[in-house]
Amino acid sequence: QVHLVQSEAEVEKPGASVRVSCKASGFTFTTYGFSWVRQAPGQGLEWMGWISAYNGNLNLVQKFQGRLTLTTDTSTSTAYMELRSLRSDDTAVYYCARDMGAINGAASLDFWGQGTLVTVSS
Amino acid sequence: DIQMTQSPSTLSASVGDRVTITCRANQSISSWLAWYQQKPGKAPNLLIYTASTLQSGVPSRFSGSGSGTEFTLTISSLQPDDFATYYCQQYDPYSPITFGPGTKVDIK
Repeated sequence: QVHLVQSEAEVEKPGASVRVSCKASGFTFTTYGFSWVRQAPGQGLEWMGWISAYNGNLNLVQKFQGRLTLTTDTSTSTAYMELRSLRSDDTAVYYCARDMGAINGAASLDFWGQGTLVTVSS
Repeated sequence: DIQMTQSPSTLSASVGDRVTITCRANQSISSWLAWYQQKPGKAPNLLIYTASTLQSGVPSRFSGSGSGTEFTLTISSLQPDDFATYYCQQYDPYSPITFGPGTKVDIK
């Protein structure tokens, strides 16, 4: 059974960094990609980027480049998202999702983590 | 980036109704389109991918159609569990993923 379990909620000050983890189980980690999607309170879904757990290929949304790092640890089947220089408008629920795009780029997202609320407040 | 629109933004319907949601892209995306259902406080759930392929475990009352720039999600007979917000998502290989703004289906 596929499971993606994310780390707990975080509260950060403006300018700080946050790292969210996403531990996968129930499937072969390296045969998929992982996308990260965020949702601000009461708003829609915003895709942030994708990483291949197979070969480490990355595709990041331009607006996050320079602030966003996506990594995977194949030894623990865990994907990570780090966002730096946090601002108040980064307050959102952050989701990891298993991406059917494994090698060349993002595709549809067939399993999702439970979400991690990141609150940015002074 | 490819812009996605959805109509309507809100839809009021009754149990048993046939419901159709439209999603449009501002350029052709072939069949690179997925549909998700999201309930309050929960993660989205994949319903349809490649425009018309039903995800495993999703009830057959859900169906998708379209290609190019115009797509539809149809629920053939709305059930109580279907009241939720629905998002389309394009995944054209040459463009960043983008989602539509969502369609909220509520009880009439």
